[in-house]
Formats: sequence, C-alpha cells, structure tokens
Amino acid sequence: DAGVTQSPTHLIKTRGQQVTLRCSPKSGHDTVSWYQQALGQGPQFIFQYYEEEERQRGNFPDRFSGHQFPNYSSELNVNALLLGDSALYLCASSYILSSNQETQYFGPGTRLLVL
Amino acid sequence: KQEVTQIPAALSVPEGENLVLNCSFTDSAIYNLQWFRQDPGKGLTSLLLIQSSQREQTSGRLNASLDKSSGRSTLYIAASQPGDSATYLCAGPHLTAGNKLTFGGGTRVLVKP
Repeated sequence: DAGVTQSPTHLIKTRGQQVTLRCSPKSGHDTVSWYQQALGQGPQFIFQYYEEEERQRGNFPDRFSGHQFPNYSSELNVNALLLGDSALYLCASSYILSSNQETQYFGPGTRLLVL
Repeated sequence: KQEVTQIPAALSVPEGENLVLNCSFTDSAIYNLQWFRQDPGKGLTSLLLIQSSQREQTSGRLNASLDKSSGRSTLYIAASQPGDSATYLCAGPHLTAGNKLTFGGGTRVLVKP
C-alpha cells in the first residue's frame, strides 16, 4: 500500500498564475481533505470531498477549488495566485464510515512557492 | 469556533529527559483528540488518537491524556532521544464538523545528544 501520494513535490509559480495539485488517497479510503500549512503554523482546513462533491469548506476564498474523481483521487486548484498562497499543501484521506474513530492519513505535501 | 493552542511553541531538552507537550482547546464537543508528528518539510504522521470517551492512550514511550472538562490534552514522551526532534501537532474534529481537523500551531522539539 503506497499510502497517500501527492504530486508534484515542489512547485514555483508567479503571482496571477494558476496551479493544480494532485492527491491519491490511501487504498480503501473514499474521502479526501486538503489543508494549507504556512511556514511555522499548523495546517488550516481548505475543503473536503466525498462522492465527488465538496462536503465541507474552510475559510478560503473561491480562488481555491477542487475536484474528486470516481477513483477517489482529488485535485486542488488555486487561481490568481498571491504571494500569501506560498505554503505546504497537505492532502489527507479517510474512510467516511469510520472517519471519527480512525485517524486521517496525510500525504507528504506539495510545497508551493509564489514569486 | 474551536481554537486549539499549543504551549510552548518550542522546546529544547537534553537526551534522556522526559518531554511534556501541552494542547488546549476551547470547545469540549470533540469526537477525538489526535497527536501528530511532523519532520521539517514533510507530511504528518499520526502518533496517538484518543476518543472523547477515553482518558488516555499509550504507544511505546508515548502517552497522551485527554481531559475534556478542562479542554486539555498532554503528550508525554519518556526518555527522549535525538530522533524525537520534530514538530508535534494536536488536532481534533468538532462534533458538528464531520472529521475536519482543527490544528494547534505545534510545538517544535529539539532533543540534544
């Protein structure tokens, strides 16, 4: 089992550009959550996908959007990048029926730098 | 709104000392409380998960306690080793928030040989 995988590992963009990050959940998991972690801070919840729909959303602007595919993998899209979007983006997966009894599994993250 | 605080933000101890990491949360209506470890630039590794009905969990040298009435959790790491150097984060999903995790800011630990 490869666990949660994310791609790419690092990315450099300039202000105003758009970026797409990808996540494949752990085998058997059907729910994907995305978190943003600024340097020196704890992760902040962006949104969560289940059954190809956004279930919950944190306090992030509409520039942040996502998608979940039938194979449960997910994408995070950020439009009109700002310098403040520079962060480590973490993907976490879980199984919806046991999501509050078991931990979520996190991927290694994608480090995004906006210049 | 749930707020999670971790104090201290950073901690440095000599090898062999016991570590005590604190986590406080403002709303006791949580499903569970989780402790994670994060190495620099890496993802999160789950260490312990305490269900809201439990008071503590143990795994090897790690022990975590949960006191919902006071809104506190403590992670104890016995006989610290240089390999324990990392950032430790606590997080909990609120009863009304599915399994969305609210994280503290973390405690950065350095264990000196």
